[in-house]
Amino acid sequence: HVQLQESGPGLVKPSQTLSLTCTVSSGSDYWNWIRQSAGKGLEWIGRIYTSGAANYNPSLQSRGTISIDTSKNQFSLKLISVTAADTAVYYCARELHYYDDSGYEMIAFDMWGQGTTVTVSS
Amino acid sequence: QSVLTQPPSVSGAPGQRVTISCAGSNSNIGAGYDVHWYQQLPGTAPKLLIYANTNRPSGVPDRFSGSKSGTSASLAITGLHTEDEADYFCQSYDINLYGVLFGGGTKLTVL
Repeated sequence: HVQLQESGPGLVKPSQTLSLTCTVSSGSDYWNWIRQSAGKGLEWIGRIYTSGAANYNPSLQSRGTISIDTSKNQFSLKLISVTAADTAVYYCARELHYYDDSGYEMIAFDMWGQGTTVTVSS
Repeated sequence: QSVLTQPPSVSGAPGQRVTISCAGSNSNIGAGYDVHWYQQLPGTAPKLLIYANTNRPSGVPDRFSGSKSGTSASLAITGLHTEDEADYFCQSYDINLYGVLFGGGTKLTVL
């Protein structure tokens, strides 16, 4: 039974860097970060493959970086230049990844961490 | 404002049937991307409820079903239980946004 656990500071000052780590109990191919704030609902942040290749939500405007350490069964998120708008519950999630008959890549999330609350405030 | 539009709230009495809609466009659901549904109980992380439009993960009761047509999708819950009271989110992929997107969520109240 796969488990995911987020860890990191709960309070970050404006303009600084938010850093979170997700520890997983077993391997998979794709891992994701998703956040949930009161004002914007669920928002996909990005994903990383075990090779290290990553994709990001363009709305982050290149502020985010996702990395992976397969030897530690961990992947991490760094978000620079944070503002109050980055205050949210941050979830890590395992990706359910498949292709349909037309070759379209499909993405869903079949396992989630419990979430960690990050507040951006001075 | 989400690109996938859901009603903010729905309600029903125990035993009744409710549906939750998810309206998209030709750049996401209408482009052929599958729709997935999540249930979020109060104070917990979302849980995958329906994937690939109509499929239930192991352990999800068959009272939950999904459908997709054109640029929209629906989640149906039959035989409502009080423990179904939760927020429900749809999710798909958008080729114009180059990424995953979620609906704004629907709060289900079991009266």
